[in-house]
Amino acid sequence: NAGVTQTPKFQVLKTGQSMTLQCAQDMNHEYMSWYRQDPGMGLRLIHYSVGAGITDQGEVPNGYNVSRSTTEDFPLRLLSAAPSQTSVYFCASKSTGGVNQPQHFGDGTRLSIL
Amino acid sequence: QKEVEQDPGPLSVPEGAIVSLNCTYSNSAFQYFMWYRQYSRKGPELLMYTYSSGNKEDGRFTAQVDKSSKYISLFIRDSQPSDSATYLCAMRSFNQAGTALIFGKGTTLSVSS
Repeated sequence: NAGVTQTPKFQVLKTGQSMTLQCAQDMNHEYMSWYRQDPGMGLRLIHYSVGAGITDQGEVPNGYNVSRSTTEDFPLRLLSAAPSQTSVYFCASKSTGGVNQPQHFGDGTRLSIL
Repeated sequence: QKEVEQDPGPLSVPEGAIVSLNCTYSNSAFQYFMWYRQYSRKGPELLMYTYSSGNKEDGRFTAQVDKSSKYISLFIRDSQPSDSATYLCAMRSFNQAGTALIFGKGTTLSVSS
């Protein structure tokens, strides 16, 4: 089972560039989310979606856009990359069938902004 | 004060030791408590979850929640080198929008053989 797949695994950008981090899941999960993980800060929620066509902001949404046109895909867009966005980005998905459904994480995209 | 506090460690123990990992929290609305394990360069994976106060055991792992003290623990018995990882506590309230989890910073554990 593929689970949650994130691409690319690594990326280096220059300040001001834009890019899209891809996330796909094959478990037919309604809920998908993006986190960033920084040393000493833990995992922080950027954006989330409870289904196709529905997105909302998390704790740290500034500088990021998302859309959800299909159940499977939830891309994260950096509009104009800044060094403060250097981080490891994780996508996660879960079923909304019950409150104790686990979140399944991808293996992350390591992003460096120069 | 952050909603969830977790000592980042690092914590180093010999193989076979009992490990205690802890988190404190400030939001009394939290009702669901989870522990995730994250190996280097991998995504977090759910290890255990508990609802409200009490203990839950799964093999060598025991999760404990004390809502009156706003304190949760994960105990690992007979620790193994394969347990070396970062352990993240996470929690949420029942009605939290989008079922978003609030994570601790993670504790890095190293078990030496």
